[in-house]
Amino acid sequence: GAVVSQHPSRVICKSGTSVKIECRSLDFQATTMFWYRQFPKQSLMLMATSNEGSKATYEQGVEKDKFLINHASLTLSTLTVTSAHPEDSSFYICSAGRKEGGRSDTQYFGPGTRLTVL
Amino acid sequence: AQRVTQPEKLLSVFKGAPVELKCNYSYSGSPELFWYVQYSRQRLQLLLRHISRESIKGFTADLNKGETSFHLKKPFAQEEDSAMYYCALSISGSGTYKYIFGTGTRLKVLA
Repeated sequence: GAVVSQHPSRVICKSGTSVKIECRSLDFQATTMFWYRQFPKQSLMLMATSNEGSKATYEQGVEKDKFLINHASLTLSTLTVTSAHPEDSSFYICSAGRKEGGRSDTQYFGPGTRLTVL
Repeated sequence: AQRVTQPEKLLSVFKGAPVELKCNYSYSGSPELFWYVQYSRQRLQLLLRHISRESIKGFTADLNKGETSFHLKKPFAQEEDSAMYYCALSISGSGTYKYIFGTGTRLKVLA
């Protein structure tokens, strides 16, 4: 159990276009989902916290108008990179929180999406 | 400030040797800690949660609040343990929570 999928796994786009990445929790409901960015050989950097039915909470330095997050249901969150530029090229990873006791949910991670902006 | 420190970028051990991956945290609240593992070309997978006090794949980790540590240990390393290991601290406030990750330690188990 606790499977999280991401689509697409890899996307190449032209500079100035927008790209949408989907994150789904397949076998559990997730009130909270998270979006991370991972640079080569580095740790995960939290971009934003996505709460079902409400606005996402963005980390300091992350442009909310550039990285649009929608959490329309308890199993789906989307990240749209608007007007993408080469510096947005990165590995984007989502996670979904599942209640398993404790004050916070346990996060389960998707496989990631490799975005390349030409 | 909240912080997770994994001091070793790379740890190499021989098969059958004991392993200890260090994790120290800084947090004024009550900590919840996790270990995640990432095998080559795979997603991050949950390995341990401190509140569960479980042993997964022979790994254990004990929360030491006095030393603010959550080191990951295994008495006898196996080659299949070679992977990237991340320690994560869950911080909460105003009804929400988020993880802070350490920079990770790459474990190489040599034959």
